[in-house]
Amino acid sequence: DQQVKQNSPSLSVQEGRISILNCDYTNSMFDYFLWYKKYPAEGPTFLISISSIKDKNEDGRFTVFLNKSAKHLSLHIVPSQPGDSAVYFCAASRPKGAQKLVFGQGTRLTINP
Amino acid sequence: EAQVTQNPRYLITVTGKKLTVTCSQNMNHEYMSWYRQDPGLGLRQIYYSMNVEVTDKGDVPEGYKVSRKEKRNFPLILESPSPNQTSLYFCASSFLIEDEQFFGPGTRLTVL
Repeated sequence: DQQVKQNSPSLSVQEGRISILNCDYTNSMFDYFLWYKKYPAEGPTFLISISSIKDKNEDGRFTVFLNKSAKHLSLHIVPSQPGDSAVYFCAASRPKGAQKLVFGQGTRLTINP
Repeated sequence: EAQVTQNPRYLITVTGKKLTVTCSQNMNHEYMSWYRQDPGLGLRQIYYSMNVEVTDKGDVPEGYKVSRKEKRNFPLILESPSPNQTSLYFCASSFLIEDEQFFGPGTRLTVL
């Protein structure tokens, strides 16, 4: 039962263009969402997050959008740079009482020069 | 330097031989967690701990044990490893569950 899904295993984008990574979730009780970035042979690193009371959060080139009615979030990277090539995981936090974090399967982003 | 350390980084073992993967953080974080990463499945939570002596199961706890006797350490114990536990393991910590989690570099475990 995959409660957080990233349906695109991979994405290829040209340098300078916009990268859009998508994530869907099924549990309407999730109230906090995060994106992590992972390079090979390293642990994931936090990128950006959003609370369920917001629909957008921006940090430099990275913007996360949340559509609660569609149970969908997306990460926009603009402009894309070669160093953005990595695997991106979205994650969702269950209500505070449960205290668990659920990750999606990941999307491998490749930025082509 | 703020960090999460894991040891060993690589381990090849045989079925049934007990092993422990250590995890330590120097950020005084209360929340610690163990994940395994498998192809096509992403990161799945094994166990987590809200504080010293407080642990709970994640989504895939079978075959694993943990302990939290000190705030900084959160070892993962495989009492009788099996080949289906071959995976890449990550330890992580944060102040709260919704805070940014700091991940260790990973431990690649192979059980023959």
